[in-house]
Amino acid sequence: DGGITQSPKYLFRKEGQNVTLSCEQNLNHDAMYWYRQDPGQGLRLIYYSQIVNDFQKGDIAEGYSVSREKKESFPLTVTSAQKNPTAFYLCASIARGGVEGASYNEQFFGPGTRLTVL
Amino acid sequence: AQTVTQSQPEMSVQEAETVTLSCTYDTSESNYYLFWYKQPPSRQMILVIRQEAYKQQNATENRFSVNFQKAAKSFSLKISDSQLGDTAMYFCAFMKPLRTSGSRLTFGEGTQLTVNP
Repeated sequence: DGGITQSPKYLFRKEGQNVTLSCEQNLNHDAMYWYRQDPGQGLRLIYYSQIVNDFQKGDIAEGYSVSREKKESFPLTVTSAQKNPTAFYLCASIARGGVEGASYNEQFFGPGTRLTVL
Repeated sequence: AQTVTQSQPEMSVQEAETVTLSCTYDTSESNYYLFWYKQPPSRQMILVIRQEAYKQQNATENRFSVNFQKAAKSFSLKISDSQLGDTAMYFCAFMKPLRTSGSRLTFGEGTQLTVNP
């Protein structure tokens, strides 16, 4: 079955440590995204990548880093520079389809990783 | 930059009744996509409905339909015959077409919908 996987589901980190969140998709999607969600709030974009070996900062990139060496993988590293990293992190990838010449875009989301800094 | 506004942080509805969630957005783009996503307590994001800006006809998916007013930049979601399983956070989102420079999904703050028995 095609889909997006994120691991681990729960992650605990001590202050001052870097941690990497995994995001893998087997949907052959070009674009991948990382979002952060705080309790009771919407999703804020951290980084996104439209093609391999290229990525752009989103709205809250400070303290985060990414890589896109393979089409199916887009790992996110939360560095010690991120002052308040405790949050829910969602990865997404996007499809592009066409019906009778029209195109549409649709995003698929992974199940998320809950990161807690101790 | 695009912005998405959901002015109703919380709403409630009785089971089997109809409820409408509001969303407005701001953009200078002429071609774009609008989405409603549902996030239940499991926190999995689920696409509810999608609207292409170039289509005048409002999208419908079973009990879910939208009222898309392009000139007013309004995109409301109507849920008919509400069910207990509809209880969730609902997010409105905007996106430029993929491969457009800076294409990304911009979310509103969300509306927590509670369906009461």
